Order: sequence, then C-alpha cells, then structure tokens
Amino acid sequence: LAKTTQPISMDSYEGQEVNITCSHNNIATNDYITWYQQFPSQGPRFIIQGYKTKVTNEVASLFIPADRKSSTLSLPRVSLSDTAVYYCLVEYGSSNTGKLIFGQGTTLQVKP
Amino acid sequence: GEEVAQTPKHLVRGEGQKAKLYCAPIKGHSYVFWYQQVLKNEFKFLISFQNENVFDETGMPKERFSAKCLPNSPCSLEIQATKLEDSAVYFCASSQFLIGGNDEKLFFGSGTQLSVL
Repeated sequence: LAKTTQPISMDSYEGQEVNITCSHNNIATNDYITWYQQFPSQGPRFIIQGYKTKVTNEVASLFIPADRKSSTLSLPRVSLSDTAVYYCLVEYGSSNTGKLIFGQGTTLQVKP
Repeated sequence: GEEVAQTPKHLVRGEGQKAKLYCAPIKGHSYVFWYQQVLKNEFKFLISFQNENVFDETGMPKERFSAKCLPNSPCSLEIQATKLEDSAVYFCASSQFLIGGNDEKLFFGSGTQLSVL
C-alpha cells in the first residue's frame, strides 16, 4: 500500500495562500491522489482528486509533478473557516477493495 | 437522503456493556464503510459492505465487533462487551461506486462518539 507523509501542522494568516505537500514515494501506476478536509466534530469531506499535472476546482488546486511521488494542495486566500485537518490519500485505481487509507493529516490553523 | 446519517451522536457505556451504532447511507449508494478514529487524526478502517454483503472486513476485531447492512434498514455496528480502548469516534461513509479514481468519493457522516467508562 502506498503510504503518504505530510506535515503534522501548519499555521497561516487570513488571506494568504497555503500549500500543503504530501509525499507518496510508492505510488503505483493506477493510483490517484485525493485530499479530504475534516472540521472538528465532523466527518472528512472530499476536496479534490488528481492523477497528474494540475487539477483545479472551486475550492483548491492540486499540483502533481511528473514522477507523481509527491503532490501539493494549494488553498488560495485562506479564511478562518479553512482551519481544519487536511488528509492526503492514495486511491487505488484498480483496487477491488475501495477503502481509503488515512494518514495522520495536516492540521492547518488559520489566524486572523 | 442526501447525507449520511449516523445515530446516536454520543453514546456512553460502562465497560462490558453492549454498544450499537447506526448508519443510514445516502440513497442509491451501494457501498458502506465504517472507520474508527481513536486518537486525534488517526483513522482505522473496520469494514465495508456492498449492499447487504460484507465486502472487506480485514479491519474488524473479530471477537467483539460485528456489523450488518440489511435491506430497508440502517446499517449497524455492534460492539459486545465494550472495553475502555473502544472509546473513539466511529464514522460511517457511503459511496455510489467502488472508489478508485474518476472523482469517486466517500461521503462521511458526522460520527458517533462512543465513550466507555
């Protein structure tokens, strides 16, 4: 199973761009990279998913280099409400189990 | 419904008592997953279902944990003879298809906080 490594915590200020990098050195050819967000007392929520290069949606951007051994979640102009735990996961494109393996996540604290 | 509904939100049990947690997946979703979050940020996969059939139970402690997803009923996770270490937040999630790319995602409920005293 591809293991992910990401910083345990990050601090930022309102209005700044936040970049959270995740390492997944053992990612396989069919694997996708997915990010979830978890607020206190809630379950994780899907943010974005990508396979290679760059993916952008209304919430975030995901940058994946050519070797795919890492990925960077970019949150533009964060606000206090972006304070949460962010999980980087590798999903198995040809898996027959469908389960997600969560790492410890990155706790992002946004300050005023 | 359009969200995964978990009940109860909080459950307190004395050691040795039984605990039963419920999960109503999003209508039309075929897959249901149970996760246990013990320490902050640490998720442990327990079991998954494809409709009423067990799909993957590799994370289930066999002795005291059991789970079901019966037709026309909420899914359930039951812990017999709870122990202190069972104290955790138990999350249920559902998905329409088997995840593995193509923006398939898990939709999580808000969890059940189980406290074993």
